[in-house]
Amino acid sequence: RKEVEQDPGPFNVPEGATVAFNCTYSNSASQSFFWYRQDCRKEPKLLMSVYSSGNEDGRFTAQLNRASQYISLLIRDSKLSDSATYLCVVNPLDSSASKIIFGSGTRLSIRP
Amino acid sequence: EAQVTQNPRYLITVTGKKLTVTCSQNMNHEYMSWYRQDPGLGLRQIYYSMNVEVTDKGDVPEGYKVSRKEKRNFPLILESPSPNQTSLYFCASSPFQPGTSVPDTQYFGPGTRLTVL
Repeated sequence: RKEVEQDPGPFNVPEGATVAFNCTYSNSASQSFFWYRQDCRKEPKLLMSVYSSGNEDGRFTAQLNRASQYISLLIRDSKLSDSATYLCVVNPLDSSASKIIFGSGTRLSIRP
Repeated sequence: EAQVTQNPRYLITVTGKKLTVTCSQNMNHEYMSWYRQDPGLGLRQIYYSMNVEVTDKGDVPEGYKVSRKEKRNFPLILESPSPNQTSLYFCASSPFQPGTSVPDTQYFGPGTRLTVL
């Protein structure tokens, strides 16, 4: 089982729709989680961080479910500009295991 | 402006010719990291550094070397590049989460597209 798994998509949804995708992780001791957005082979940029149960920023909501070991990202009222690949990132528990694990990304395409 | 810079941005080289990709950050971050990105595989960590003179292997370190002689710089060295190292490479830096040695939000450089013939 991969350490961090994402549905690769693509998710193709109409503008204005609500879309959600999940990211599952295997290390139950993982401490912090991030969603990054990546446009067309450019550098990833932080969308949202999740340190406790969840986080909300405008149209974007991230939720952490530690019991089931997944993080979700919800996008409401989607815009054309939301089309991108969304990367889930899991950070280690402590400095003894400081690798950072990326999911392979979920592609989202918003159509007019 | 706070940023991570990488050079070169594009490089085409031949098998066996040593090369170095530079990475520099001006945010005084402790943690720095190199990734490669390949279609269908996402970003995979090559090496990371917790601080000056402290480096460690990521998931795919074979064929790469790094050094961290100064806090701001973290060059990636390919001693003898091979075609399977053709990829898109990203450098990133991050501070530690307050009171910990756990990396926080990462800031990425613009990427280096490497082709090894």
